[in-house]
Amino acid sequence: GAVVSQHPSRVICKSGTSVKIECRSLDFQATTMFWYRQFPKQSLMLMATSNEGSKATYEQGVEKDKFLINHASLTLSTLTVTSAHPEDSSFYICSARGNTETQYFGPGTRLLVL
Amino acid sequence: SQQGEEDPQALSIQEGENATMNCSYKTSINNLQWYRQNSGRGLVHLILIRSNEREKHSGRLRVTLDTSKKSSSLLITASRAADTASYFCATDKSNYQLIWGAGTKLIIKP
Repeated sequence: GAVVSQHPSRVICKSGTSVKIECRSLDFQATTMFWYRQFPKQSLMLMATSNEGSKATYEQGVEKDKFLINHASLTLSTLTVTSAHPEDSSFYICSARGNTETQYFGPGTRLLVL
Repeated sequence: SQQGEEDPQALSIQEGENATMNCSYKTSINNLQWYRQNSGRGLVHLILIRSNEREKHSGRLRVTLDTSKKSSSLLITASRAADTASYFCATDKSNYQLIWGAGTKLIIKP
């Protein structure tokens, strides 16, 4: 099946720094990429939807200036957590969709902000 | 916003037994999907069932969909220790955005 990678898999940073997370579709062109956040023992919460070449659509309550999304190509989307704080610590997961209804998920990035 | 609700929240069974998880949702959908997540890992797509389908099989997995009751079930037959994971249902209402349930944590005891 289709493969989606995320990098880094784990990151620890100091409060106030910015962290960039990459999401790549390795063997297909992703028309749409989605970014999710998951708190421990909870379900995924959709943060934003991004289509290649256009601005991301953010879900209600998600600050677009805080979570910058760039979908630069059909195989790459990046999420930048700007001026990260401890409450931003979470598991961030991206998914990508090609020409079918199925979304393929990356392995996730665990962010810990000290 | 969350739409799907899975039950039970947690399920512990003996290896070899069948495991059934249910998912309910609130609005009309295009399709419903089931995913598995091992602890701290990404999600793996299991099955997609469209709104005009009633049942689908994939290996030891069987998914049913009742649109009149707005519910779906996932049955894992002859469970194995490797099936231990959290299982999520997600509904696709439109534009491919998935709405997720809270998940069922399944533990298979050897």
